[in-house]
Amino acid sequence: DAEITQSPRHKITETGRQVTLACHQTWNHNNMFWYRQDLGHGLRLIHYSYGVHDTNKGEVSDGYSVSRSNTEDLPLTLESAASSQTSVYFCASSESRDPDVNEQFFGPGTRLTVL
Amino acid sequence: SQQGEEDPQALSIQEGENATMNCSYKTSINNLQWYRQNSGRGLVHLILIRSNEREKHSGRLRVTLDTSKKSSSLLITASRAADTASYFCATANFGNEKLTFGTGTRLTIIP
Repeated sequence: DAEITQSPRHKITETGRQVTLACHQTWNHNNMFWYRQDLGHGLRLIHYSYGVHDTNKGEVSDGYSVSRSNTEDLPLTLESAASSQTSVYFCASSESRDPDVNEQFFGPGTRLTVL
Repeated sequence: SQQGEEDPQALSIQEGENATMNCSYKTSINNLQWYRQNSGRGLVHLILIRSNEREKHSGRLRVTLDTSKKSSSLLITASRAADTASYFCATANFGNEKLTFGTGTRLTIIP
């Protein structure tokens, strides 16, 4: 069955270190998204991609970057981790940009702690 | 900024009762979607209602949309313990294919 996976599931790092969170989907979806989830804020969009070599900034992109070299993967990099980036990170994908059918499929999440 | 705001923030009901949660949003939308999130898991898509639809059903779920009031409601009938989860609305705005999520309603079903 097609799926979307994230790794690692849990990560503890120190302030200033570079961290990369992996996201891999086997749906063959063109669209991929990264969100962070914090209490009281719901899900906030960090970066998204509509296809290979396409990347776009979301609502809270400062301090994060993504690259899309193939359809299946959209790794999220924290260039210099900060305590404010302690959060749960979710990757998602969708098949279509058609707003009538753009439901998203989510990965299980990565809990990141920055000490 | 959040587009959707769910109400109530938390809801506890007895198993077998109906659960209703509401979502309000600010700008014109293409569609509104509801997602469920079990503790420690990712979100799961439940239902999508288009801006030209007023009501939609899926199993025990009933969603309504009132574009004049910029609001939607999710009704879960005959609740079960397995319905315990957080529920989020998400809107897709005109000219923008991205989704904007609300802050969620935490639903607890008491056996």
